[in-house]
Amino acid sequence: GAGVSQSPSNKVTEKGKDVELRCDPISGHTALYWYRQSLGQGLEFLIYFQGNSAPDKSGLPSDRFSAERTGGSVSTLTIQRTQQEDSAVYLCASSLSPGLANGEQFFGPGTRLTVL
Amino acid sequence: SQELEQSPQSLIVQEGKNLTINCTSSKTLYGLYWYKQKYGEGLIFLMMLQKGGEEKSHEKITAKLDEKKQQSSLHITASQPSHAGIYLCGADIGSNDYKLSFGAGTTVTVRA
Repeated sequence: GAGVSQSPSNKVTEKGKDVELRCDPISGHTALYWYRQSLGQGLEFLIYFQGNSAPDKSGLPSDRFSAERTGGSVSTLTIQRTQQEDSAVYLCASSLSPGLANGEQFFGPGTRLTVL
Repeated sequence: SQELEQSPQSLIVQEGKNLTINCTSSKTLYGLYWYKQKYGEGLIFLMMLQKGGEEKSHEKITAKLDEKKQQSSLHITASQPSHAGIYLCGADIGSNDYKLSFGAGTTVTVRA
């Protein structure tokens, strides 16, 4: 079956512009995660969605970042007024059920964002 | 400082040689994952360790979890070019049971 897909794979934008990154999780996976990977850094947790529960937004670095998950499936991460420090690879992951003990997180290939 | 420290940051190994990567946590580990990442690709799940003393193997890769030391090691035996990539450890260190913290990664280069 299809894995987690993300689009676009690469995005180059100018400082100050808004960008939208999309994630299609594996069908049937109730949990969805967004991470950010900056050069030389590990993955940084951004946000977590689980079913219809309120998302955990504790990792979002500023109010310029927001995310939605429509219909419990596709998710969109939006960055408003992009800054150069937003340049990174944004990774999406999904898991069948919540709880790390219940299974691994499956990762998408990521979106490489470059802010000029 | 990161909550998960990986060492070494990078290593170069001759094909056929063994290698070990360590992941040390500054907090209690509730579960630890090893992933492999190739440039431009997502993370590939390798192993999950949940209990202290647990050891798992898959093909030539073995991972161990030392709960007391809050540390895990990943060992590759008789390395091959296919083992090249970035190895990342991720762990649940906040008992949220869903949020992973990751190390910065170890870049492995295998020379023929």
